[in-house]
Parts: sequence; structure tokens; C-alpha cells
Amino acid sequence: EIVLTQSPGTLCLSPGERATLSCRASQSVSSTYIAWYQQKPGQAPRLLIYGASSRATGIPGRFSGSGSGPDFTLTISRLEPEDFAVYYCQQYGSSPWTFGQGTKVEIK
Amino acid sequence: QVQLVQSGAEVKKPGASVKVSCKASGYTFSIYYMHWVRQAPGQGLEWMAIINPAGDSIIYAQKLQGRVTMTRDTPTSTVYMELSSLRSEDTAVYYCARGTAYRGAFDIWGQGTMVTVSS
Repeated sequence: EIVLTQSPGTLCLSPGERATLSCRASQSVSSTYIAWYQQKPGQAPRLLIYGASSRATGIPGRFSGSGSGPDFTLTISRLEPEDFAVYYCQQYGSSPWTFGQGTKVEIK
Repeated sequence: QVQLVQSGAEVKKPGASVKVSCKASGYTFSIYYMHWVRQAPGQGLEWMAIINPAGDSIIYAQKLQGRVTMTRDTPTSTVYMELSSLRSEDTAVYYCARGTAYRGAFDIWGQGTMVTVSS
């Protein structure tokens, strides 16, 4: 099983600041099979990034993904009030599909 | 619009079973993989199972093997997840999600179904 470790656990930032979230895989995983999701309280996760760097439909340009195995990054260039949420990375290249433990981005 | 609508919240006693449904609309149901993912209160996301478009190939998470059954019904565009021998640790929100391919991201999610296991 591929274990994904996200850091930091919590990120305290102000609106307008840049957020950098990390995800490290325990085994080799192609960037083709890395996704990022955003989850707000009481809501289902929403796909932001797939294939490590491709934005999903309707996702604003301030969200970008990068990296290659084992290290991947989600960057939010300028935080908007609606971006404060929990973010999960995921690998979908091999069974079992696994998620990181999440990074909470909260208002400073 | 493309959406997945799940059945309502359930409260079950330990040892019982629960069956959650997920009805798809707005797209061609028969060509997509489907997944179930759960989230315990205050915790992260845990993948549970995947079913292929034909409904004849299913993979379960090892820790749930033997207790979980995933099925799909193409005429009604619905997938089901049944979990048996419920225990308190199964208390969670259960989500269905569409996979863009076998090795595909989860691009559409249901709204979630809260299952509470309590005596």
C-alpha cells in the first residue's frame, strides 16, 4: 500500500498570502496518478488537480500542482476567503487507492 | 447536471447491516467506474471499494474484505454499498464517487450519507 504523508498538518495564513502544501509518497508513484481535493466542513471533497498538475473543470487558476515521485506540491498563489479548507492528496495508480491525512489551511 | 444523489442517514445497532444507495444522473452511467469512500468523524478519507462499468469486477479494501459488498444496477443508474457486522468504528460519512477511469481521479462525489452505529 502506498502511504501518502502530507505536511504541514495545519497552515495558518492570511487572505492574499501564498499557500504551499506538500505530499510525499512512500513508494514510487507516477505523477500521472496524483490528485488533490479540497473539502469544506459538511461538504463532500471536490477534485482540484489530477495528473499532479492538471486543473479540474472550473478550478481557478490560483490553484496549481507540481512535482514528481515521491514529492508533490499544491500551491494556492493568493488565498481567497473561500480557500480556507482541508486539502487531501491522493494516489490512484495502484490498489488500494489511498489519501494523505490532510492539510488544514486556516485563517491567521 | 452531472450528479450523484445518495440515500439518507442511517442509525444502526452493532452487528446489523446497512445498505447505502447512490443514484447517478446527467451522464452515461454505464461507462464509468464507481467508488465508495468513507470518513469517520474528524478524520481523513478512507477508500473502500471500486466497481467496473459492467459490474462484474470489484475490488475491496483489505480491511473491509468479507464485510462490504458493492453492486451496481445499470437500468436505474444506481450503485450500492452494503456493510455488515457493523461496529462503532464504522460510524462515518459514506461517499460514492465517480472514477474517470480505472486509474482515474474521483471527479464527481455524492453528498455523503451519515451512518451511525450505536447501541
